[in-house]
Amino acid sequence: ETGVTQTPRHLVMGMTNKKSLKCEQHLGHNAMYWYKQSAKKPLELMFVYNFKEQTENNSVPSRFSPECPNSSHLFLHLHTLQPEDSALYLCASSQTPGTTNNEQFFGPGTRLTVL
Amino acid sequence: AQKITQTQPGMFVQEKEAVTLDCTYDTSDPSYGLFWYKQPSSGEMIFLIYQGSYDQQNATEGRYSLNFQKARKSANLVISASQLGDSAMYFCAMRAYSGAGSYQLTFGKGTKLSVIP
Repeated sequence: ETGVTQTPRHLVMGMTNKKSLKCEQHLGHNAMYWYKQSAKKPLELMFVYNFKEQTENNSVPSRFSPECPNSSHLFLHLHTLQPEDSALYLCASSQTPGTTNNEQFFGPGTRLTVL
Repeated sequence: AQKITQTQPGMFVQEKEAVTLDCTYDTSDPSYGLFWYKQPSSGEMIFLIYQGSYDQQNATEGRYSLNFQKARKSANLVISASQLGDSAMYFCAMRAYSGAGSYQLTFGKGTKLSVIP
């Protein structure tokens, strides 16, 4: 595997379900990110992890719970979601978040539908 | 606060022609980076080109070039010799200091480019 991978690619869940999204990067990066992409809205940064430590939480509701066990893996645990949480969830990684020129490499995303 | 504006929701271009996608930005930070990403229908965001705020020359990467006009706070993407595979959403993004030792990447709403054969 190369780059950034995400599983599953598609997920349909009910509002009472609990599910997890997985992201893995094979680039040797130290920072990982979760973004939410809703229709007709800009990408919204959700969480940032640097060296496994959470450094950003952009006022994300507690029904989204991130986990970063190591610099290569990032999870997003989902529970009691709402239909408006349906979106494309993108994971990204970069060397570190501390400079202006670090490009982020994105995964293919998980298309989430909440019924 | 940082802001990215892409005023063109959709653009059409004839195959083999050049096209310019507009992007303006706003930040009070003197040090920032500007990025363009391409998102095909598959969903993956693909990095295209980067321009630093202190770079003297406009960035170029193959058929992509960035028309950086600092005084006007614009960073337009120029795609030369368009190909059918260029049809996708294009996002302009800016990375700037957002406080408390943190740098955030702020995205515009995107422009949908359609290349016509």
